[in-house]
Amino acid sequence: TQLLEQSPQFLSIQEGENLTVYCNSSSVFSSLQWYRQEPGEGPVLLVTVVTGGEVKKLKRLTFQFGDARKDSSLHITAAQPGDTGLYLCAALRNSGGYQKVTFGTGTKLQVIP
Amino acid sequence: SAVISQKPSRDICQRGTSLTIQCQVDSQVTMMFWYRQQPGQSLTLIATANQGSEATYESGFVIDKFPISRPNLTFSTLTVSNMSPEDSSIYLCSVDRGLREFFGPGTRLTVL
Repeated sequence: TQLLEQSPQFLSIQEGENLTVYCNSSSVFSSLQWYRQEPGEGPVLLVTVVTGGEVKKLKRLTFQFGDARKDSSLHITAAQPGDTGLYLCAALRNSGGYQKVTFGTGTKLQVIP
Repeated sequence: SAVISQKPSRDICQRGTSLTIQCQVDSQVTMMFWYRQQPGQSLTLIATANQGSEATYESGFVIDKFPISRPNLTFSTLTVSNMSPEDSSIYLCSVDRGLREFFGPGTRLTVL
């Protein structure tokens, strides 16, 4: 079973600060995704990274896929209270002809106004 | 995209009883997935429901405890049987569209 470890597990920061969340594994992935989940809702896909070394930007969020495709990071610049939520990395794996998603351990982010 | 609804949104149940959770999708899909999210934790896949066949369960989950129905291409149910407090979790269904997975809002279950 693939294990995706995220760090930190919890993060509480002041509005305007920067932060980085890490997602690590010993396995190589064809692609890796990041989701955000807010209370009372299901996770929502933020980005999919496919190529080793790839960097994608989504407004104040920067996602990077490691060169060896075993790890990824999410960097948030000038965090805002609206960024509060549970951030999950996820890997896709083929199983029986369809894709299954394996989620990381999660990072709970709180941005204090 | 896909719009997914779940019923009930939350419930409080007594130990030993069963609860059936419904998941409705706004379009036809081949596969539907059921996840469990224990308090403060990440999502764990319970099973994959393919219309017209038995659900496929992940390691650690069995049909007797989590029977699943998939009567058509837009609907599925998950039953949590003979509940104990350890079953208190959020249960989510999802569908995939290519490389993208869409989730329902979840059902928050508390077992006393």
